Amino acid sequence: AQKVTQAQTEISVVEKEDVTLDCVYETRDTTYYLFWYKQPPSGELVFLIRRNSFDEQNEISGRYSWNFQKSTSSFNFTITASQVVDSAVYFCALRQIQGAQKLVFGQGTRLTINP
Amino acid sequence: ETGVTQTPRHLVMGMTNKKSLKCEQHLGHNAMYWYKQSAKKPLELMFVYSLEERVENNSVPSRFSPECPNSSHLFLHLHTLQPEDSALYLCASSQEFGRGTDTDTQYFGPGTRLTVL
Repeated sequence: AQKVTQAQTEISVVEKEDVTLDCVYETRDTTYYLFWYKQPPSGELVFLIRRNSFDEQNEISGRYSWNFQKSTSSFNFTITASQVVDSAVYFCALRQIQGAQKLVFGQGTRLTINP
Repeated sequence: ETGVTQTPRHLVMGMTNKKSLKCEQHLGHNAMYWYKQSAKKPLELMFVYSLEERVENNSVPSRFSPECPNSSHLFLHLHTLQPEDSALYLCASSQEFGRGTDTDTQYFGPGTRLTVL
C-alpha cells in the first residue's frame, strides 16, 4: 500500500523566515511520481511540482526548492524568505507509474506566514 | 474562462434534496476526476473518467452519481445525502489518464463547499 505522511499539521513563521515542509512516503514501487500542491483559502489545489522517482536532482524555482532523498523516502519543500501570500495548506502526493495510478495525498500542512 | 471551473462554489441542501455539482475544464484534457475533501481526512478520490468512460469508482455510496457527457464537462448528482457528506468537493482534469507520464498530472478546480443539513 502507498502512504504519504506530512507530520507537521500546522506551521507558523514570521515573514521573511525560511520554512521547510516535510513529506515522507511509503511505496513498494520502484518508479513513481511525487507532487506538491498548494491550497490557498480560495480552495483550489495549485500544482507546484512533479518529480519522477528516478530523478533525484533537487529543484529550485524562485523562492521554492525541493529536496528529494530516495534513500530516506522523503520529498521536502522549502520556501525561502517567506511571504504572507505563501500562507496556505500544502499537500504532498504520490502516484504510481504503473497499475492503478491513484494519486495518494498526505494530510496537508497548514502554513501561516505572519507579517 | 481558463483552467478548471466549478459551480456552484457553495451549496447548502437538506437530506431529501436533489442537487448537482458541475465541473468544466477549458484545458483540452481527456480525463476528469471527483475528489472529496473532509476536515481532518486526506483527499479521497471518488471517480475517474477517461474519454467520457468511468475508469474508477472508489466504493462511493450510490447517493453520489457521476455523469460525464463529454470530455469537458463532469457532473456529480446528489440525492438523499447525509450530514457526514458535508465537505469540499474538488474536480480535477488531466491531459490523459493511465499513461504513467507527466500527461497524467492533475489540475484542480476551486471546489464546491457542500453543507448537508
